[in-house]
Amino acid sequence: GENVEQHPSTLSVQEGDSAVIKCTYSDSASNYFPWYKQELGKRPQLIIDIRSNVGEKKDQRIAVTLNKTAKHFSLHITETQPEDSAVYFCAASPRGYSTLTFGKGTMLLVSP
Amino acid sequence: EAGVAQSPRYKIIEKRQSVAFWCNPISGHATLYWYQQILGQGPKLLIQFQNNGVVDDSQLPKDRFSAERLKGVDSTLKIQPAKLEDSAVYLCASSLAGPGLADVRNEQFFGPGTRLTVL
Repeated sequence: GENVEQHPSTLSVQEGDSAVIKCTYSDSASNYFPWYKQELGKRPQLIIDIRSNVGEKKDQRIAVTLNKTAKHFSLHITETQPEDSAVYFCAASPRGYSTLTFGKGTMLLVSP
Repeated sequence: EAGVAQSPRYKIIEKRQSVAFWCNPISGHATLYWYQQILGQGPKLLIQFQNNGVVDDSQLPKDRFSAERLKGVDSTLKIQPAKLEDSAVYLCASSLAGPGLADVRNEQFFGPGTRLTVL
């Protein structure tokens, strides 16, 4: 089955800095890669996703890049703010529309 | 629109007892998922329903876990008997589309979860 590795497990940055979280996946058939944000005690919420026919996608301060050859994808957050502090999960779907395999998460702490 | 509803929000039981969780997905969502999220880890899929049929239950410990989605709407997840390692948050999620619609964005919407503590 699919295996998703996520790094780093924790990331501390100063407000205004950029943050990058990286994930690798094992199944070359995966073609859908969402990112979820989970604040403490709350439910995961989708913040951005990318499909395998696209190399990069941007939404305001958040961007995701995908390298299918290397089987890795990354989340980039620019101009970080304290409210960006949360756990971020990457995921991959082998069938593109169904079962998600999640990484173990990255705890991002943005200090004012 | 109303989100995914789950109950109870918290449950504390002793090992070997039974417990059941309930989920009501977003209206019109065909696909429903149950995840187990152990502290410090990402959600792990336990079972996926498409309407009232099971699509994937490969990671469900079937000797103690069971789930059903009668009438293709609400779903219940049961653990019987519970073990200490079952302590986790159980998340329910739903999505509009399901297998067969590869080009449709299939965002999963999560419920608030049920935090289970097994003593």
